[in-house]
Amino acid sequence: GAGVSQSPSNKVTEKGKDVELRCDPISGHTALYWYRQSLGQGLEFLIYFQGNSAPDKSGLPSDRFSAERTGGSVSTLTIQRTQQEDSAVYLCASSFTKTGELFFGEGSRLTVL
Amino acid sequence: GENVEQHPSTLSVQEGDSAVIKCTYSDSASNYFPWYKQELGKRPQLIIDIRSNVGEKKDQRIAVTLNKTAKHFSLHITETQPEDSAVYFCAASIDDMRFGAGTRLTVKP
Repeated sequence: GAGVSQSPSNKVTEKGKDVELRCDPISGHTALYWYRQSLGQGLEFLIYFQGNSAPDKSGLPSDRFSAERTGGSVSTLTIQRTQQEDSAVYLCASSFTKTGELFFGEGSRLTVL
Repeated sequence: GENVEQHPSTLSVQEGDSAVIKCTYSDSASNYFPWYKQELGKRPQLIIDIRSNVGEKKDQRIAVTLNKTAKHFSLHITETQPEDSAVYFCAASIDDMRFGAGTRLTVKP
C-alpha cells in the first residue's frame, strides 16, 4: 500500500469491553511497532515485531494487552477489559529494516468511557 | 531496552533564532539515532537521522551531532521559522526503537 494503514481511526468503548486495533504496514517492511501516545505526551513503546523473530513485548503495560502479527504483515493489538487509563492514540509504525526510518500510521484514537 | 532522555521538554524561541534539543541514551551498543517531528494532530515524521559511524550530519537548516563517548546527541535548527513549531522526538535504536519524551518547540513570529 501507499502507507501504513490503521483502523479504526476512532473507537469509543465502555469500560470493561475488549477492543481490537488493526495495523496494515507498508508491503515488504519487516519491522512493525506499536506505540501509545496519551494526550500531549510522548511515544510509549508497546511491542516490536521483526521478521519471524519472537516479538519484543517488554513495553506492554499489563497482561490485558496483547498483539499478534500474522504472516509477517497485518498486526492486531488487543486490549481486554479496557480501563479509562487506556484512553490514548495507538500508533503503528513499520520499517524496511530494524534500524531504518519508521513510517507511522494515522493512529487509532481510543476513548474508554 | 534502551532508555532515552530528552531536554528541554518545552522550548520557545524568536523567529530567526537557533534552537537546540539534547538527548542522552543508555545503551552504548545503540547505532541509529533519528529525529522525528510531530505537528499538531499529525503523525510523527522523520526529519533527520545519524548513524554511529558519523559525528555530524546537516540538511539545510537542520543538523544533528553525535557524541558516542558521552552517549548524547543533539538537534540544531538554525534560522527558525514559525512552521518549525511542533513536537520533536529523538530516538535511539540497537534493535527496537525507543523515543525520548519529546520537546515542544514554539517559534514566535
